[in-house]
Amino acid sequence: DTGVSQDPRHKITKRGQNVTFRCDPISEHNRLYWYRQTLGQGPEFLTYFQNEAQLEKSRLLSDRFSAERPKGSFSTLEIQRTEQGDSAMYLCASSFAGGGLWEQYFGPGTRLTVT
Amino acid sequence: GNSVTQMEGPVTLSEEAFLTINCTYTATGYPSLFWYVQYPGEGLQLLLKATKADDKGSNKGFEATYRKETTSFHLEKGSVQVSDSAVYFCALTPVGGGADGLTFGKGTHLIIQP
Repeated sequence: DTGVSQDPRHKITKRGQNVTFRCDPISEHNRLYWYRQTLGQGPEFLTYFQNEAQLEKSRLLSDRFSAERPKGSFSTLEIQRTEQGDSAMYLCASSFAGGGLWEQYFGPGTRLTVT
Repeated sequence: GNSVTQMEGPVTLSEEAFLTINCTYTATGYPSLFWYVQYPGEGLQLLLKATKADDKGSNKGFEATYRKETTSFHLEKGSVQVSDSAVYFCALTPVGGGADGLTFGKGTHLIIQP
């Protein structure tokens, strides 16, 4: 069984460019979460999906951020018109909503550097 | 809103020392509580959890007890090893699970010297 995977692992982009990150959850998990982690801080929750439905998106940092999970499997996080302040580690996690466990399993993250 | 406060690091200990990392939380109701660990160059891993008051989570020699009266979930280990060097995060989810995702503390960097 493979864990949560994220692609790419590192992304360097110039300010103003759009970037898209991909997350593949653990196959039997129906919930998928996105977080942002900046240096010296804990992860900050951004959004989550149950199957293909995005159930919480008010925590997305601005309207430049959007996420999709079109078939209830993998998900993408897009940042439009990147700014230097977007430089951070973007983490994906998945869980199985059932049985009251709510354990989230994290991927290795995508490190974004905006120059 | 929900929040987690944990002790500032870095915490430096000698091998075989006793470890305590303090964690307190603010949340409505009865959240589930977690400790995650991030080893150098690796992703976040769940270390242990507790879902109700007085539960004790344990794993790899680490323990934490859910104390509702003090809203705390302190991480302890009786004898640390160099391999325990990592960043430790305390986290919570609201009652009913991940509706708001996990709320994390800032993390505590633990350094164990031989």
